Amino acid sequence: GAGVSQSPSNKVTEKGKDVELRCDPISGHTALYWYRQSLGQGLEFLIYFQGNSAPDKSGLPSDRFSAERTGGSVSTLTIQRTQQEDSAVYLCASSISSGRGQETQYFGPGTRLLVL
Amino acid sequence: DAKTTQPTSMDCAEGRAANLPCNHSTISGNEYVYWYRQIHSQGPQYIIHGLKNNETNEMASLIITEDRKSSTLILPHATLRDTAVYYCIVSTSGSRLTFGEGTQLTVNP
Repeated sequence: GAGVSQSPSNKVTEKGKDVELRCDPISGHTALYWYRQSLGQGLEFLIYFQGNSAPDKSGLPSDRFSAERTGGSVSTLTIQRTQQEDSAVYLCASSISSGRGQETQYFGPGTRLLVL
Repeated sequence: DAKTTQPTSMDCAEGRAANLPCNHSTISGNEYVYWYRQIHSQGPQYIIHGLKNNETNEMASLIITEDRKSSTLILPHATLRDTAVYYCIVSTSGSRLTFGEGTQLTVNP
């Protein structure tokens, strides 16, 4: 079946511009996660959605970062007034939340963001 | 979530078994051991996970010690396409994954 998809694959923007990154989770997956990976660094958690609610936003690095999820499906990560340090690969993952444990996260291919 | 310790890098000959160790001495009773890998420029790929018992799937086997303080991921017949960074993560189900530095596995012809 279809996996997690993300768009765009690559995004180049100028410092100060706003960007929107999209994630389409696996159909039926109620949990959705955003991570980012800076060059040569490990993956860093950003935010977690359960349905349309975000019970854990603790990883968002600043108030320039926001995310929403509508219809319990697609999620958008928005970065306002981008800075060069925002350059990274932004990864989305989804998992089924059955309440019975073993909720494996499956990752998308990522969006590579470059802020000039 | 419990922290994990993995070797920085390992080498393996093509066709041989690759055994990747992971220490997680502070693991809690409700934490699972997950293994992911990341091939250059791609998103992390789920490999396998377990709680107490050893597990096997089409990709790999996971051996967890009886005290659960360490585990080993086994790729039975490594190929060049298995060259990647392998991450061992311990986490309660349904929560964020905390990725460490992982092990860079290089499979040599």
